[in-house]
This record gives sequence, C-alpha cells and structure tokens, in this order.
Amino acid sequence: GDSVTQMEGPVTLSEEAFLTINCTYTATGYPSLFWYVQYPGEGLQLLLKATKADDKGSNKGFEATYRKETTSFHLEKGSVQVSDSAVYFCAGRSGGSNYKLTFGKGTLLTVNP
Amino acid sequence: DTEVTQTPKHLVMGMTNKKSLKCEQHMGHRAMYWYKQKAKKPPELMFVYSYEKLSINESVPSRFSPECPNSSLLNLHLHALQPEDSALYLCASSQEGLTAETQYFGPGTRLLVL
Repeated sequence: GDSVTQMEGPVTLSEEAFLTINCTYTATGYPSLFWYVQYPGEGLQLLLKATKADDKGSNKGFEATYRKETTSFHLEKGSVQVSDSAVYFCAGRSGGSNYKLTFGKGTLLTVNP
Repeated sequence: DTEVTQTPKHLVMGMTNKKSLKCEQHMGHRAMYWYKQKAKKPPELMFVYSYEKLSINESVPSRFSPECPNSSLLNLHLHALQPEDSALYLCASSQEGLTAETQYFGPGTRLLVL
C-alpha cells in the first residue's frame, strides 16, 4: 500500500520566518497529493493540492510543487503568521491504495509573535 | 461552495446510550466518508459510501452503524460505545469514490463516552 513520510514536529518559528515541511509519498501509481490544515479544535481544511507532476498548488501564501522524480510535495511559506499555528497533514490518493486517502503523521506548527 | 456540515458539534453519551451523528453536503458529491481521529493522530478511515452504497468498511466494530439515506446525507449510528471510542468523528465527501479526487472534510463531532 501507499505511505507518506512527513517531517514530524513540533516546529516552532517566530513570526515572519520561512517555513518548510517536507513530505514524500510512496505509491505504486502516481498519486494526487494534498496538504490539509487543522486548526485547534476544528476539522481538516484543504490547504492546497496537485494532481500531476510539476503541478504547483498555492493558497494563503503557502506553496507546494509535485516533484515526480522524488514524489515529494514539500510545503513552504515565505513569512509565517501567528494565525498559521496549526497541525499540517500531507496526504495522497492513488489506485495503489484503492483510492483511500493516506495521511502523514502530521506536523504541529507553532508561530510565536 | 465546498461545505460539509456535521451535527452535533459535541456529544457526551453513556455506554448504554444510542445516538446518531449526522453529515450533510450539497456539492453533488457521490462519495461520502466517516473518519475517526484521536488526539495528535491523523484521521483513520472507517467507512466509505459510493453512490449511496457501502463500498468500504475498515473492519469497524458493529457498535458503529453507518447509513446513507440519500446522496447528500450520511449518518453514523452509535450504540453501546466504549470509553476508548471517544474521539473526533469527521465526515468527508468527494466527487467520486474510486478516484484520486479531493476529499472535503466537515468540522467534526467531538464525542465523549462516559
């Protein structure tokens, strides 16, 4: 089956710092890749996605590019804010996992003022 | 609009109670999902409905009983739960089930079993 290797936290940054959270997906096919964000006490929100190689997803200042050769989908943001404090999940779906959504373990980000 | 709604937001129940969780979407999606999420963990898939038929049951105990009355509505009936079933229950939907399309999640129901 598919698997996701996601950088584990926790990650603590100061406001306006640069953020990178690494994610690598292992699958027999070519998955669609997603980043979900979960704010404290809430459900999961789709942050961005990419469905094929070289696709770049972007939203709210976050970006991630689907690199086919490494099946990686690293999340980046140039200048984080306190309001970005949340848990970030990398996930993917492919035929190799019967299209079940496979999650990474999640990365807790805390941004201090 | 990519909204999935869930009710109730919070639920406390005893081990002998019967309760139901409700999920609704009006995006015309034909696949709906139930997930269970424990603290500091990713969501775990419980059930998948595709075109109103149960297509995946991840070996979930029978005290959890899903129901899909129509393409917009998904219920999870709870009976004789255990304290370890306390968790955040998330509903999700997607355009189709057996594809790599995006799943959209609801806000969840936080369940406490006493």
